[in-house]
Parts: sequence; C-alpha cells; structure tokens
Amino acid sequence: GAVVSQHPSRVICKSGTSVKIECRSLDFQATTMFWYRQFPKQSLMLMATSNEGSKATYEQGVEKDKFLINHASLTLSTLTVTSAHPEDSSFYICSARVPWGSETQYFGPGTRLLVL
Amino acid sequence: AQSVTQLGSHVSVSEGALVLLRCNYSSSVPPYLFWYVQYPNQGLQLLLKYTSAATLVKGINGFEAEFKKSETSFHLTKPSAHMSDAAEYFCAVSSSNNDMRFGAGTRLTVKP
Repeated sequence: GAVVSQHPSRVICKSGTSVKIECRSLDFQATTMFWYRQFPKQSLMLMATSNEGSKATYEQGVEKDKFLINHASLTLSTLTVTSAHPEDSSFYICSARVPWGSETQYFGPGTRLLVL
Repeated sequence: AQSVTQLGSHVSVSEGALVLLRCNYSSSVPPYLFWYVQYPNQGLQLLLKYTSAATLVKGINGFEAEFKKSETSFHLTKPSAHMSDAAEYFCAVSSSNNDMRFGAGTRLTVKP
C-alpha cells in the first residue's frame, strides 16, 4: 500500500505558541490530503480537506485562522496550530487520497500534541 | 449524505474464536466501503476495501468482509482471533467526490 508519513510524532509546547505538523505522501502524489482530529476513545473528526495549489476546505466549526493548512506540493501538506491552547491538545492524523480512483485514503501515524 | 453505523463499541472474543464486527452504511450513491484498524497511539491501517468489484473482499491479517446491498451491511470477520488482533476497528464509507465518513469504532479485545 501507499505510505504516508507525519512529523513530528509527538510535540509538547507552551500555551500561545504555534506548532507545525507535516504530512507527506512518500511513494505517490496526492492532490488531496485530509486532516483529522481524534479525541481519546473516539472516532476521527474531519477538520479540513487540503487540495494542492488551492485553499483548504474546512469543516463546519473548525477555525481556519487557528488551523492553517498549506498544500504547496503534491507530496506535502502542513497543518499549523496557531496560538495553541490546552484545549487544542489532541491526536492529529493526516491522510492522503490515492490518485488512481477508489477513494482510498492512506493515513499517517498521527501526531500527539500536548499544550501546557 | 453518507454515514456508517458500527454496532457494538466493544467486542470481546477468546483467542481462536470467530471475530465479527458489524457495520451498516447509508449512501444514496454506490459506495466505497473500508475497514481500518488502529493500534494505540498510531494512525489507521487499511485492512480491506470494497470498490464495486467482488462482494466478498479479503484483506490483510486474515480478515474479510462481505458487501450485502440488500442489508446495507459490510461486516468484518476473521475465523480465528489472535491476541495481536486486539485494536480499534473503524468502518468507513466514501464515494466519488465525497469525503470519507467513519463509524464510531469498535474496540476488539481478545482473551487468552
């Protein structure tokens, strides 16, 4: 299967700072990537859809100025949590949709964010 | 709108027993259906997918699922559970130009 990496795997930051998370498709080009948030013992919540070369589409209730998404190339999308607060602490997972149909998404290993 | 419902947030089986995780979907268009597995503090790993070819889909680790349109179901099975199968399992639905929607997840526990 296709491989998606995420970096960092874990980050601890102080309240008020910004954190950038990278998502890369390693062996295929992904025109569309997705960012999810997962709370403990819950399912994945789609935050936004990231399309290469265009603005991300955010789900209702997700602040686009707080969660900045950039998809500058066909293999890289970044999520920046700006002015992070403790309530932003969560598990963030990205995925990339393969370009050869079937709507299959391959997921990164996730990033655990802890805001102190 | 598309959605999936996973019946049973927690399933417990003995090692060697049959695993059955239930998933029902709702979709107004022909769906693509997926099962993913998530181990603690990890991302999701694709187990198998249905994309309108064979209705019985075989995946990794001995899992398989059958697409039943009449029942709008896509249940996941494995004949004999291993301890290493203990994880969270998510059913998901998608279709052309639509987002993927996940079920709430089912935690599988395997008892020795």
